[in-house]
Amino acid sequence: AQSVTQLGSHVSVSEGALVLLRCNYSSSVPPYLFWYVQYPNQGLQLLLKYTTGATLVKGINGFEAEFKKSETSFHLTKPSAHMSDAAEYFCAVIPDTGRRALTFGSGTRLQVQP
Amino acid sequence: GAGVSQSPSNKVTEKGKDVELRCDPISGHTALYWYRQSLGQGLEFLIYFQGNSAPDKSGLPSDRFSAERTGGSVSTLTIQRTQQEDSAVYLCASSSRSGTFYEQYFGPGTRLTVT
Repeated sequence: AQSVTQLGSHVSVSEGALVLLRCNYSSSVPPYLFWYVQYPNQGLQLLLKYTTGATLVKGINGFEAEFKKSETSFHLTKPSAHMSDAAEYFCAVIPDTGRRALTFGSGTRLQVQP
Repeated sequence: GAGVSQSPSNKVTEKGKDVELRCDPISGHTALYWYRQSLGQGLEFLIYFQGNSAPDKSGLPSDRFSAERTGGSVSTLTIQRTQQEDSAVYLCASSSRSGTFYEQYFGPGTRLTVT
């Protein structure tokens, strides 16, 4: 079965610092990979996705992620954190087996310190 | 255009009562999903509709949970004889049937509290 592991339930960075949120998945075939962001009391918003093609994908708000098959990873980065980036971030997968449901990681809460 | 909407935004109910949660997907989206978000279990898939059919209902936790979709649009998630462990935020998402079927757009959720 697919599983998604997010290392670090809480990450704190200073404003302007690099953001790195880690995600590893278990799969025998490359799945579809996603990062979602959730602001307080709101639904989930798609940040970026990897399906096929270029392994470095760019999303909204300056975020990007790189699919590394050899490491089964899909880490999320942003060069310079902004206060408005404070939120919870979820990595998710859809296995390439015809299923459509997302399997989510446990989430990482990002705090941005002034 | 309008996004996914859910109602009510908050629902408080007594243990043992039945509740209905509603989801209006994005217009033209043929696929609809229900997920549950709780402190103990994180984000869990419940059921997936393609049109009015539910080819994947593997995430429904018990037979107290059911869902239907009519007219390929609105969906209702029903929880019978609610229990305290049903307290959670219930999220609905929709996606297009076309090549971007995997892009799921989420509603704001319904927060259910069972007292």
